[in-house]
Amino acid sequence: AQSVAQPEDQVNVAEGNPLTVKCTYSVSGNPYLFWYVQYPNRGLQFLLKYITGDNLVKGSYGFEAEFNKSQTSFHLKKPSALVSDSALYFCAVRDGGVDSSYKLIFGSGTRLLVRP
Amino acid sequence: DSGVTQTPKHLITATGQRVTLRCSPRSGDLSVYWYQQSLDQGLQFLIQYYNGEERAKGNILERFSAQQFPDLHSELNLSSLELGDSALYFCASSVARGGAGELFFGEGSRLTVL
Repeated sequence: AQSVAQPEDQVNVAEGNPLTVKCTYSVSGNPYLFWYVQYPNRGLQFLLKYITGDNLVKGSYGFEAEFNKSQTSFHLKKPSALVSDSALYFCAVRDGGVDSSYKLIFGSGTRLLVRP
Repeated sequence: DSGVTQTPKHLITATGQRVTLRCSPRSGDLSVYWYQQSLDQGLQFLIQYYNGEERAKGNILERFSAQQFPDLHSELNLSSLELGDSALYFCASSVARGGAGELFFGEGSRLTVL
């Protein structure tokens, strides 16, 4: 069964420092991987996705993610964090196989807190 | 603004009652997904519709049902409500039946059962 894990409930980083939010996955077949961000009392906003190709994916708001097949990871990164990046981040996976049910399976979420 | 509209934004009701949540997908999107977000269980997939037909089913209770209408809007019906049904219910849409397309989420409907 497909699954995704976000091992950190919270990540704390100082503004201007690089940030990493971790995600590992387990799927059968080729994975389709996504990152979403949720601000308080808001819906989820799409940040980026990996389907195939370059292992480094660039997304919205200066975020990028690195796909690592051998480590089954898809960590979210940003070179320089902003206070406004403070939010809840979700990693998600969809099985790209022929019999996919097409739904997204979300991790438990990681709260990012960027201090001034 | 994702283009996905959900109503109502907030709903307070009592145990045993029935409520209906409504979702209008982005213009042109044929797939609608419903998710439940609660503190203890995170984001749980409930059900997906594609062009009016049920496509995938997740952890949806028998007390819950959904449908997608010819104009592609969708409704999630929750009946015999229990305290544990209090949660944020999200609707999402995508243009395709599935595959690589990302989902676009509405702002959610916050249900409080007292």
